[in-house]
Amino acid sequence: AQSVTQLDSQVPVFEEAPVELRCNYSSSVSVYLFWYVQYPNQGLQLLLKYLSGSTLVESINGFEAEFNKSQTSFHLRKPSVHISDTAEYFCAVSRYNQGGKLIFGQGTELSVKP
Amino acid sequence: DAGVIQSPRHEVTEMGQEVTLRCKPISGHNSLFWYRQTMMRGLELLIYFNNNVPIDDSGMPEDRFSAKMPNASFSTLKIQPSEPRDSAVYFCASSSLQEEQYFGPGTRLTVT
Repeated sequence: AQSVTQLDSQVPVFEEAPVELRCNYSSSVSVYLFWYVQYPNQGLQLLLKYLSGSTLVESINGFEAEFNKSQTSFHLRKPSVHISDTAEYFCAVSRYNQGGKLIFGQGTELSVKP
Repeated sequence: DAGVIQSPRHEVTEMGQEVTLRCKPISGHNSLFWYRQTMMRGLELLIYFNNNVPIDDSGMPEDRFSAKMPNASFSTLKIQPSEPRDSAVYFCASSSLQEEQYFGPGTRLTVT
């Protein structure tokens, strides 16, 4: 069975500082990997995904994540955060041929301070 | 497309009452998922459907919970009878094949 561990429950940072949100997964088979973002009182939105190909994937708002198969990690990074990036971030995995079922981590609350 | 639509957005009910949450997935998506989110337990998958057929309901907490998908454009999650510990935000999501899931805005349920 798959599992996802987000190593930090809360990450406070100052505006314009870099940030890394860590995600490790365990699975005996190949998986797809996702990062979702949840703003207060909203549903989850896809931030970026890794299905195959290049191990470095990017979002339109400056986030990137790198799939590292040997370390079973999919850490999320941004070189310079904005106040508007304050949200909860969820890492998730799904297994091939499992109908798109996602296993989510517990979430990391990113708090960007001025 | 309007995205995944959920109703109601907020529901306040008394313990023992029946609660029905509704979801309209994105047109053309063939998978539908129901999740529950609480501070204590995080985001939990309750049940999911492929082509209107329930595939995995292992996350449904008790027999008080039931879900149906009578057609490709509608699903319900019912709790009968409701209890205070059912208070949570319930999300519906839909997807196509192995693509990402699109989440609705959620229904905030409060059981008093």
